Amino acid sequence: DVKVTQSSRYLVKRTGEKVFLECVQDMDHENMFWYRQDPGLGLRLIYFSYDVKMKEKGDIPEGYSVSREKKERFSLILESASTNQTSMYLCASSLFGKGGNTEAFFGQGTRLTVV
Amino acid sequence: AQSVSQHNHHVILSEAASLELGCNYSYGGTVNLFWYVQYPGQHLQLLLKYFSGDPLVKGIKGFEAEFIKSKFSFNLRKPSVQWSDTAEYFCAAITGANNLFFGTGTRLTVIP
Repeated sequence: DVKVTQSSRYLVKRTGEKVFLECVQDMDHENMFWYRQDPGLGLRLIYFSYDVKMKEKGDIPEGYSVSREKKERFSLILESASTNQTSMYLCASSLFGKGGNTEAFFGQGTRLTVV
Repeated sequence: AQSVSQHNHHVILSEAASLELGCNYSYGGTVNLFWYVQYPGQHLQLLLKYFSGDPLVKGIKGFEAEFIKSKFSFNLRKPSVQWSDTAEYFCAAITGANNLFFGTGTRLTVIP
């Protein structure tokens, strides 16, 4: 069974803290993604990575950074958390390229609250 | 810029009614298209996908979608909805850069 695992379901952090959200996939996928999900705004892409040490900015990268040191792990970092980063964060992975097997698989999400 | 648009934000239907949710994408090249569903409290799950061939694709739970290249559309349909279809539905596209874009989602409420 395919699996994308996010390290925390719920997280509460203080303004200004450095926050790490971890995501691990066991499907040997090249692509990994970080999204935030907010009511009425859908899923907005923060960053994605198509290979180890490679990253591309998505639609809303400001205030975030990422790290991909190993193929199976993709970390999202909030350098200095702010209240407007309170959100649901979703990690996903997929195979690289085109074709019928490029669907993304999602983790269960991390609900982050910044106080 | 590449994007996916869903024009219906909230749809309310009675059980047994027919469903059609709109999805349009803006990208000129080859694109893979998806519909995902998120049931209350659960993670996103794939409903169906299109990458080539027959433009009418069938997915799980009686859902289907039609890819119309000339209209840049990939609308989701179901002939008869059930209360258990109450969920949020997201259209998504993978473009040449392997980037996965999502629409803003459509919340479906089915009244028993």
